[in-house]
Amino acid sequence: HVQLQESGPGLVKPSETLSLTCTVSGGSISSYYWNWIRQPPGKGLEWIGYIYYSGSTNYNPSLKSRVTISVDASKNQLSLKLSSVTAADTAVYYCARKGSAATTGFAYWGQGTLVTVSS
Amino acid sequence: DIQMTQFPSSLSASVGDRVTITCRASQSISDYLNWYQQKPGKAPKLLIYAASSLQTGVPSRFNGSISGTDFTLTISSLQPEDFATYSCQQSYITPYTFGQGTKLEIK
Repeated sequence: HVQLQESGPGLVKPSETLSLTCTVSGGSISSYYWNWIRQPPGKGLEWIGYIYYSGSTNYNPSLKSRVTISVDASKNQLSLKLSSVTAADTAVYYCARKGSAATTGFAYWGQGTLVTVSS
Repeated sequence: DIQMTQFPSSLSASVGDRVTITCRASQSISDYLNWYQQKPGKAPKLLIYAASSLQTGVPSRFNGSISGTDFTLTISSLQPEDFATYSCQQSYITPYTFGQGTKLEIK
């Protein structure tokens, strides 16, 4: 049973870079597209981007200039970096993966980690 | 980007009621529409994928349907554990986008 777990600092200063890691257990990171999604407090979900295990990426154009998603297959981890953060980047950040090939939705989610941008 | 308009934004209902939540896409997305349930402090849970396919383990009282660019989630007989926020999401094209959510509360 695939499990995802986000980790990283819960507080980031404005203008700095947010860095999070998602560790995948119960299955290999090989194959599948691995996504980052965020949710500001009290608001809806926003897709940040995905990475394929081979390293190809696809980012939300609204964040593309500031986002980098990478994968370390040897550690079964993916990472998110978001630069030049502001208070608007305060959110719960989730890593997620679709289910089987026929499942078009995100079937597997981490528990989420709250990142607050504040000085 | 494809805009997903979800309504109502909130809904009050009683145990045993039948409720319907609608999501409208700003353009055709075929059947690439997914529904999620989210409880406070928890990650979203996939209920329905491909507009009408029930995710494994989800009770059959949850049903999804499609009519053009309008998608509907129906809960046939509300149970106490169903009070939560429901969101739709299109997976037709990136950037994947979500509706703003419908908060289902106990009347």
